[in-house]
Amino acid sequence: EAGVAQSPRYKIIEKRQSVAFWCNPISGHATLYWYQQILGQGPKLLIQFQNNGVVDDSQLPKDRFSAERLKGVDSTLKIQPAKLEDSAVYLCASSLAPGHAGNTIYFGEGSWLTVV
Amino acid sequence: GESVGLHLPTLSVQEGDNSIINCAYSNSASDYFIWYKQESGKGPQFIIDIRSNMDKRQGQRVTVLLNKTVKHLSLQIAATQPGDSAVYFCAEKWRGSQGNLIFGKGTKLSVKP
Repeated sequence: EAGVAQSPRYKIIEKRQSVAFWCNPISGHATLYWYQQILGQGPKLLIQFQNNGVVDDSQLPKDRFSAERLKGVDSTLKIQPAKLEDSAVYLCASSLAPGHAGNTIYFGEGSWLTVV
Repeated sequence: GESVGLHLPTLSVQEGDNSIINCAYSNSASDYFIWYKQESGKGPQFIIDIRSNMDKRQGQRVTVLLNKTVKHLSLQIAATQPGDSAVYFCAEKWRGSQGNLIFGKGTKLSVKP
């Protein structure tokens, strides 16, 4: 079974530029998550989708970050304009349903962003 | 949770020994807990999970223990191998939440051959 696919794997941009990350979840997974992981820390949720609807975006910096999952399958996370503190790994994850017991959350390999 | 920046707690064990990684979770109302393994340059990989109505759960070479009284979770790895070297994260789901996982501080496990 194919896992969570993410691209690009690595991106270097200058501050104030924009960047977009793409994610394709595991087939059939209704719930999709974007997490931000700063070096040396655990992942932190940015946004959670259930099908094509937003369930939780309370920790998404909406002045610069946006995300969409228009058809309820793949998703795009955009940062515009980027700041130095956005340097992190952006992890996409998916699960069959909201992550309670029996519905494991599976992570992709991440998209590594460096803002210079 | 508290940020540890680049200074992750570390555990160094000899190959073949048992490893115990500990985690203090934050919310007494959490009803689901997961351990993830993260190798360098990769995303977190599911290891084992446990519901709050259980005290212990075993997998292949791994055991998770849950002590709700002191809000403590541990991961035991039997006969630790070099391939077990990674950062290990515990994560909790708060009861009534939409399924978001709250991750704890990671622990870096180094296995000496």
